Amino acid sequence: DIVMTQTPLFLSVTPGQPASISCRSSQSLQHSDGKNYLYWYLQKPGQSPQLLIYEVSNRFSGVPDRFSGSGSGTDFTLRISRVEAEDVGLYYCMQSIQFPLTFGGGTRVEI
Amino acid sequence: QMQLVESGGGVVQPGGSLRLSCVASGFTFSRYGMNWVRRAPGKGLEWVALTWADGSETFYGGSVKGRFTISRDNSKNTLYLQMNSLRDDDTAVYYCARDIGPRPRNYFDSWGQGTLVSVSS
Repeated sequence: DIVMTQTPLFLSVTPGQPASISCRSSQSLQHSDGKNYLYWYLQKPGQSPQLLIYEVSNRFSGVPDRFSGSGSGTDFTLRISRVEAEDVGLYYCMQSIQFPLTFGGGTRVEI
Repeated sequence: QMQLVESGGGVVQPGGSLRLSCVASGFTFSRYGMNWVRRAPGKGLEWVALTWADGSETFYGGSVKGRFTISRDNSKNTLYLQMNSLRDDDTAVYYCARDIGPRPRNYFDSWGQGTLVSVSS
């Protein structure tokens, strides 16, 4: 199975400041088609998870442009340019290049 | 507006069985693969199972393979998860989630509100 490792586990941020979360995979997530199959989800307190970023760097519909993703191969990063109070929650990366689909352990972001 | 509504959760003894359901509305259910994903208390998300849009193929996470069965009834816009031989570590909130697909683009653009399964004696 592909192991997804997120760092840090916990992130305390100040509103208006930037934040970043790292995700490393135990195998390359780059497919023969050139794409990397890496996604980011956010689970806000008391809510279901929601999709933020698909295929490394594409923001899902309705996701604010302060969220961005980058990376390739085995190293990926989610960045929030200016954190807002509504961004608190658990952030997860996930890979889909190989079954079983696997998630990172999660990063808790608090203000 | 698309919606996914899970039901069927509850308390069950170790070794017991439970069937979860997820009713979909607001989109053409038969065109999408569907997943179950769970989150145990104090733990992260874990992918459980995927079924293709026509139900012809299914895939499972290692911890549930051989015990859980994902299925669907496209005439009823309903996804199921039959859970047998339940263990304490199956205790979790179970979410159904719509799959974008096709392989390898298996990610989830919409999730239900979840149903709680508690395995306890």
